[in-house]
Amino acid sequence: EDQVTQSPEALRLQEGESSSLNCSYTVSGLRGLFWYRQDPGKGPEFLFTLYSAGEEKEKERLKATLTKKESFLHITAPKPEDSATYLCAVRSQGGSEKLVFGKGMKLTVNP
Amino acid sequence: DAGVTQSPTHLIKTRGQQVTLRCSPISGHKSVSWYQQVLGQGPQFIFQYYEKEERGRGNFPDRFSARQFPNYSSELNVNALLLGDSALYLCASSLGAGGGQPQHFGDGTRLSIL
Repeated sequence: EDQVTQSPEALRLQEGESSSLNCSYTVSGLRGLFWYRQDPGKGPEFLFTLYSAGEEKEKERLKATLTKKESFLHITAPKPEDSATYLCAVRSQGGSEKLVFGKGMKLTVNP
Repeated sequence: DAGVTQSPTHLIKTRGQQVTLRCSPISGHKSVSWYQQVLGQGPQFIFQYYEKEERGRGNFPDRFSARQFPNYSSELNVNALLLGDSALYLCASSLGAGGGQPQHFGDGTRLSIL
């Protein structure tokens, strides 16, 4: 059974204090690892898709990396507007587009 | 361009009732998936439909059913509501079945069961 574990569950940072979020996964044939951002009362907003180990993607202050067992979301010099819950999800081989999500990581960036 | 739209945004029901949630995908997207998100948890997969055919089903009881229409919009039906069905129900759309295309989510329907 596909599983995703995110750590830490919550993280408080000062503005400008860089950090990394971890997503560990087990999947039978990875067909994509996805990062989403979710604000309170909203649906998840797509950030990145990673397909193979060694791949990296960047968007503004965020950088996502992938190994065979983990993905990291690096946040460089965060701002208060980066405060949100970050979700990691995997899609495995098969005919369905089913995503298996972790519990999420609540990030708070204080000014 | 409009994103994924869901209606209603909030709904209050009592135990034993039935509910229908609606979803309109992004224009051009043919695949729709439904997820349930309980407070403090990640979304959990319920169904995926592509070209009106069911392509995936999560571990939910038969009280949950869905369908997709020729215009690719979708409905999720839940019968005999239980207190534990209280959650945020999310709809996501993508271009098509298979591959690594990302799903794009609506803002969900908040369902409260009294």
